[in-house]
Amino acid sequence: GQQVMQIPQYQHVQEGEDFTTYCNSSTTLSNIQWYKQRPGGHPVFLIQLVKSGEVKKQKRLTFQFGEAKKNSSLHITATQTTDVGTYFCAAANDYKLSFGAGTTVTVRA
Amino acid sequence: SQTIHQWPATLVQPVGSPLSLECTVEGTSNPNLYWYRQAAGRGLQLLFYSVGIGQISSEVPQNLSASRPQDRQFILSSKKLLLSDSGFYLCAWSRTGGNYGYTFGSGTRLTVV
Repeated sequence: GQQVMQIPQYQHVQEGEDFTTYCNSSTTLSNIQWYKQRPGGHPVFLIQLVKSGEVKKQKRLTFQFGEAKKNSSLHITATQTTDVGTYFCAAANDYKLSFGAGTTVTVRA
Repeated sequence: SQTIHQWPATLVQPVGSPLSLECTVEGTSNPNLYWYRQAAGRGLQLLFYSVGIGQISSEVPQNLSASRPQDRQFILSSKKLLLSDSGFYLCAWSRTGGNYGYTFGSGTRLTVV
């Protein structure tokens, strides 16, 4: 299946600061999905990007799909303690999703 | 609205014992169903997926098996558990006919001792 690499693996953020996590593939992706998993919880679907160069926003979260459809990013502004968790990108191949290893975010108050 | 139920939430089993984890979906028909495993602090590994009753595809050959006896029921089984089977098992469903977001169950934390 499609392989996606996520960086960084860990992100320690001061509350109020911005950060970005990246998802990269060596092949062109049909779409990319993003999920959030809170500590001790299960992954929750955030968004799907389909079009080249697509940008979608959810409050303080901005998701972008690269022009070549080989990379994606999630940018969070003014980080809050509620942003703590692991963010996964996932690439679809037929009926299956292949997940990246995730970026685990911790927030310093 | 659609809901997904997965149980039990936690399970401690001895090595060599059998396993049966059940997942059911309500409020939709003919869903795609998936079993993932997540090792502590790691990503999600796809174990099995099903696009219909009795149709099971295995991604990782192991001592685990899956079955789909009914449209909205997905079962993960093992005849003899290994220590390496410990992990967080997640069931998920998605709509058919395209790429849709997955909805995950709350998961089962399995510890094999």
